Amino acid sequence: KNEVEQSPQNLTAQEGEFITINCSYSVGISALHWLQQHPGGGIVSLFMLSSGKKKHGRLIATINIQEKHSSLHITASHPRDSAVYICAARDVQGAQKLVFGQGTRLTINP
Amino acid sequence: DAMVIQNPRYQVTQFGKPVTLSCSQTLNHNVMYWYQQKSSQAPKLLFHYYDKDFNNEADTPDNFQSRRPNTSFCFLDIRSPGLGDAAMYLCATSRGLAGGRNEQFFGPGTRLTVL
Repeated sequence: KNEVEQSPQNLTAQEGEFITINCSYSVGISALHWLQQHPGGGIVSLFMLSSGKKKHGRLIATINIQEKHSSLHITASHPRDSAVYICAARDVQGAQKLVFGQGTRLTINP
Repeated sequence: DAMVIQNPRYQVTQFGKPVTLSCSQTLNHNVMYWYQQKSSQAPKLLFHYYDKDFNNEADTPDNFQSRRPNTSFCFLDIRSPGLGDAAMYLCATSRGLAGGRNEQFFGPGTRLTVL
């Protein structure tokens, strides 16, 4: 079992839909990252959070430390949001090491 | 405004021919990381520098080396590339290693093909 699990692995939706991607982790963490990777491209850091909620534009990330769970939400989704979204946990044991989830491939159809 | 820059974006090399990938940053961050990402897999940390201190992951093959001549630049050297080394190589930086200083900023990656 992976230490960081994402669901769903693949998600297809229509433009305008509200999107939720979930991340559960079993390690003790100091922070959790949400990353975005477009096909064949590099990685963009969307959020780093250790508690509560953060919002940037149409993106919202939440984390519940007690439940070891985080969610990434996209409101009013757009085809340009199509990408792989990766949850990565920063392990408290190895401060420099990110433990990556397997990624969620999101496709938004026009 | 590019903050973490990787060159080249695409690199083709021959089996066994040494290759160097380049990363530079304009963020003046202390930490620079190199990741290897194979197709449909999560990135795998190879090593990182905290300033001039080099930290190698235990399972990083000896074939992979790194140099950091100054704060801005970090190089990944693959001494004798094999077919299994074909991958996307990602560079990332962070201000520090702990707390809020450890948010990582990634470059666009270099896709390495080994013929």
